Amino acid sequence: GAVVSQHPSRVICKSGTSVKIECRSLDFQATTMFWYRQFPKQSLMLMATSNEGSKATYEQGVEKDKFLINHASLTLSTLTVTSAHPEDSSFYICSARVPAGGSGEKTQYFGPGTRLLVL
Amino acid sequence: AQKVTQAQTEISVVEKEDVTLDCVYETRDTTYYLFWYKQPPSGELVFLIRRNSFDEQNEISGRYSWNFQKSTSSFNFTITASQVVDSAVYFCALSETSRNQLTFGKGTKLSVIP
Repeated sequence: GAVVSQHPSRVICKSGTSVKIECRSLDFQATTMFWYRQFPKQSLMLMATSNEGSKATYEQGVEKDKFLINHASLTLSTLTVTSAHPEDSSFYICSARVPAGGSGEKTQYFGPGTRLLVL
Repeated sequence: AQKVTQAQTEISVVEKEDVTLDCVYETRDTTYYLFWYKQPPSGELVFLIRRNSFDEQNEISGRYSWNFQKSTSSFNFTITASQVVDSAVYFCALSETSRNQLTFGKGTKLSVIP
């Protein structure tokens, strides 16, 4: 159990275009999902916390107008990188957290990640 | 403030050797959770273990074992009889009950040489 999928796994786009990344919890409902960014040989950097039915909470320094997050259902959160530029090239990873009160509370399960390359 | 320190940036061992990955954490909360994740070259983070701050029992799962010492704020991870497939970056993480997020260490890259 506790499987999180992420699509696409890899995307190459031209500068100025927008890219949407989907994150799905396949076998549990996740009221909270997280979006991370990881640069080569570095740890994960939290970008935002996505709560179902409400606005995402962005970490300091993350532009909310550039990284649009939508959490429309208990199993799906999307990250849209708007007007992507080469500096947005990175590895983006989502996670879904087990609901409070359940076994494994607070555990985040991660998707396989999306490698974005902006030319 | 919460903080996770993984002092070992990279470790190389020969196959079948035992290896311990260190993790030291800082938190002001009395209730928190500690985690270990494995990130193989493919990139996906694989959940390995979750430990509640009230449960100091050590845990063993196959070749993996974890030593939780509240007195030294450490949560070390040992792989016994390492295998090439264990080669990955391992992250230790902390989740305080007062906060939503996971705080990650910088990771330890383990290379197991055949």
